Amino acid sequence: AQKITQTQPGMFVQEKEAVTLDCTYDTSDQSYGLFWYKQPSSGEMIFLIYQGSYDEQNATEGRYSLNFQKARKSANLVISASQLGDSAMYFCAMREGQLWTGNQFYFGTGTSLTVIP
Amino acid sequence: KAGVTQTPRYLIKTRGQQVTLSCSPISGHRSVSWYQQTPGQGLQFLFEYFSETQRNKGNFPGRFSGRQFSNSRSEMNVSTLELGDSALYLCASSYLDRQDYGYTFGSGTRLTVV
Repeated sequence: AQKITQTQPGMFVQEKEAVTLDCTYDTSDQSYGLFWYKQPSSGEMIFLIYQGSYDEQNATEGRYSLNFQKARKSANLVISASQLGDSAMYFCAMREGQLWTGNQFYFGTGTSLTVIP
Repeated sequence: KAGVTQTPRYLIKTRGQQVTLSCSPISGHRSVSWYQQTPGQGLQFLFEYFSETQRNKGNFPGRFSGRQFSNSRSEMNVSTLELGDSALYLCASSYLDRQDYGYTFGSGTRLTVV
């Protein structure tokens, strides 16, 4: 089974609107971390936001927020007030366990977001 | 603060050759991981190094190997290149005392095997 599933290959959003990118995960570990990365056409992966499995509140970082629903094993990224520069590939990722046991990430297949002026 | 530096940025090799990619992590980051990114398979974990020791290895053949030096710099080697090895190879470094940090990625090395 896939560890991370992103079911939206491509999304379009109007500039200044909000958009939600879906991510579901599969793990039997109690301790894990969920991450979202942005990859513009230049290729570099840019860290956006983190949610720990024990965090009770949804993470927020500026215009990015993570809608964490633990029972449903979903970690959707919400981008508010979309900007043209938000056009990129977005990857959801998970790290199982604790850092001292390993630092391997599982990535989803990504969602290509296009912001329309 | 300098980011993760990968060299070279682009590489063209012939089938059967071998290649070495280099990665210099952010100062203070002691964990270095490598990922292969292709359109068909997405981002796949190759291996992770910490304190010059390989801690984890992904599901890749033995042709893929790596090492880490005492200054945390890392190299990745692919021997007997195949056409399917054409990919973007991303290096990522991290702290090991901050769960929320994740990775800082380099810009990648784009390898083309002809």
